[in-house]
Amino acid sequence: GENVEQHPSTLSVQEGDSAVIKCTYSDSASNYFPWYKQELGKRPQLIIDIRSNVGEKKDQRIAVTLNKTAKHFSLHITETQPEDSAVYFCAVYNSGTYKYIFGTGTRLKVLA
Amino acid sequence: GAGVSQTPSNKVTEKGKYVELRCDPISGHTALYWYRQSLGQGPEFLIYFQGTGAADDSGLPNDRFFAVRPEGSVSTLKIQRTERGDSAVYLCASSPGTGGADEQFFGPGTRLTVL
Repeated sequence: GENVEQHPSTLSVQEGDSAVIKCTYSDSASNYFPWYKQELGKRPQLIIDIRSNVGEKKDQRIAVTLNKTAKHFSLHITETQPEDSAVYFCAVYNSGTYKYIFGTGTRLKVLA
Repeated sequence: GAGVSQTPSNKVTEKGKYVELRCDPISGHTALYWYRQSLGQGPEFLIYFQGTGAADDSGLPNDRFFAVRPEGSVSTLKIQRTERGDSAVYLCASSPGTGGADEQFFGPGTRLTVL
């Protein structure tokens, strides 16, 4: 089955700096790659997603890049702010199995 | 409109008891997922419904876990003979279920504590 690895597990950056979180997956049939932000005690919220026919997508300070050949995708947050502090999860979806497999999460701390 | 709701928000039970957790998806969403999230971990897939049928229940850890969605809307996750290791947050998510890759919308979760 699908295996998703996410790195790093924790990340501390200074306010205004950039943060990058990376995920790798194993099933080449996976075709949808969402990223979720989860604040303490809250539900996961979708922040950006990318589909397999696109290499990069940007939404203001957030971007996601996908390399299907290498089977990895990354979340980029620029000009980080304290309110970006949360746990971020990548996920991989396979439309053949209808299953989402999540990474283990990255705890991002933005230091003011 | 209303998002995904889950009840109860918290459930404390004793080892060996039976519990039911309820999920009310977004109206019109045919796809419904249950996940279990342990502390410091990502959501772990349990079961997926398309309409009334369980299309994939391969994530259910054992036969103490069962889920239903009799009318294709509300779903109930049932856990028999609860064990301390069942303690976790149980998340429900729904999506339109068009057959392609849809955005999932999560509920707030039910925190289950088995004493």
